[in-house]
Amino acid sequence: NAGVTQTPKFRVLKTGQSMTLLCAQDMNHEYMYWYRQDPGMGLRLIHYSVGEGTTAKGEVPDGYNVSRLKKQNFLLGLESAAPSQTSVYFCASSSSLNTEAFFGQGTRLTVV
Amino acid sequence: GENVEQHPSTLSVQEGDSAVIKCTYSDSASNYFPWYKQELGKRPQLIIDIRSNVGEKKDQRIAVTLNKTAKHFSLHITETQPEDSAVYFCAASKWTGGFKTIFGAGTRLFVKA
Repeated sequence: NAGVTQTPKFRVLKTGQSMTLLCAQDMNHEYMYWYRQDPGMGLRLIHYSVGEGTTAKGEVPDGYNVSRLKKQNFLLGLESAAPSQTSVYFCASSSSLNTEAFFGQGTRLTVV
Repeated sequence: GENVEQHPSTLSVQEGDSAVIKCTYSDSASNYFPWYKQELGKRPQLIIDIRSNVGEKKDQRIAVTLNKTAKHFSLHITETQPEDSAVYFCAASKWTGGFKTIFGAGTRLFVKA
């Protein structure tokens, strides 16, 4: 039982490049989330999904897109990376809203 | 905009002492308040949570109190141990026509042996 798994763990991008972060969960959770974590700022919600085929904007959605084609996967895309998107990205899932969120191990992204 | 203020940003205690971390939220519609522990380089993990219809919750050495009127909630750790050293985050969440969760900036706890 792996829980929540993110790939890749580390990535360096050049400004303007694109990439996709993959999140996979094996707990049959309906709800999935993408957060970014910056020094001194805690976690900020980028996008979330309440079920397969649905997505919604969080607190800081600009510059990111997401897709939830399968219940177990939640993809985060950066179409044109900017240095301001340098951060640690965490995916999480939960069985319902307002319950414990299980986090992935994080992806450290640097945009140069 | 809505925010969660967390204090202190750094806390250093002697092993065996108690530690208290406080959070204040601005959105009165918030109804779920989790606390996460994050060790260096690791993922956040839930240690305790409380809902708006409860004033206090305890789990062994950890307790959380909620004052809805003051929009204030606190984490209490008793008999601290070196392995309690980590960053602790509070959060305030709600689901009213959309999900919103705001995290505090975190408290770095050092427990000295």
